[in-house]
Amino acid sequence: QDQLVQSGAEVKKPGSSVKVSCKASGGTFRSYGISWVRQAPGQGLEWMGGILPAFGAANYAEKFQGRVTITSDRSTSTAYMELNSLRSDDTAVYYCARGREGVFDIWGQGTMVTVSS
Amino acid sequence: IQLTQSPSTLSASVGDRITITCRASQSIDTWMAWYQQKPGRAPKLLISKASRLESGVPSRFSGSGSGPEFTLTISSLQPDDFATYYCQQYNSYFGPGTKVDIK
Repeated sequence: QDQLVQSGAEVKKPGSSVKVSCKASGGTFRSYGISWVRQAPGQGLEWMGGILPAFGAANYAEKFQGRVTITSDRSTSTAYMELNSLRSDDTAVYYCARGREGVFDIWGQGTMVTVSS
Repeated sequence: IQLTQSPSTLSASVGDRITITCRASQSIDTWMAWYQQKPGRAPKLLISKASRLESGVPSRFSGSGSGPEFTLTISSLQPDDFATYYCQQYNSYFGPGTKVDIK
């Protein structure tokens, strides 16, 4: 059964960077996209961007352009999301999700990122 | 493209029929999905292509609409359905969410 397993919780200082990983099992990397979605405490879902691992092409939400980098490693079936210049309002749960023809049908368990001095 | 949802909160009882509306700022054909999220859990895909029920999702859930306006209907609300619901434009932005709670 396909699943996505994310890396563990992170605590970061303002101005630093965080890199979250998302390891896929099954045929996900060959045939699907991986997107990243975050959710601040008590807030809604915010799409950040995504990648097609088969091609390595990423696209980003306008809000995060220049501050986020999404990559993938086909040899380990792992996708990564790196967010730079962290601020306190980047504190959130970060999810990866499998993109199946435009919808997100399988989700990782979420990674809590806390930005605090 | 901006997505708006109404209402933002909906108080209902078990057995009620409820409808949530999602409106896009421009036409997106039927490229709309709906998700359910419970506290502390990842979202769950309910409906794709505006009206296509995902495998395993109860038939009391249904979706409709095209272009700018879409609806998610639960025909008879069950205890497990109290959650927050999000619409989403394919591969892109989510609506702000509708919280369904117990009246």
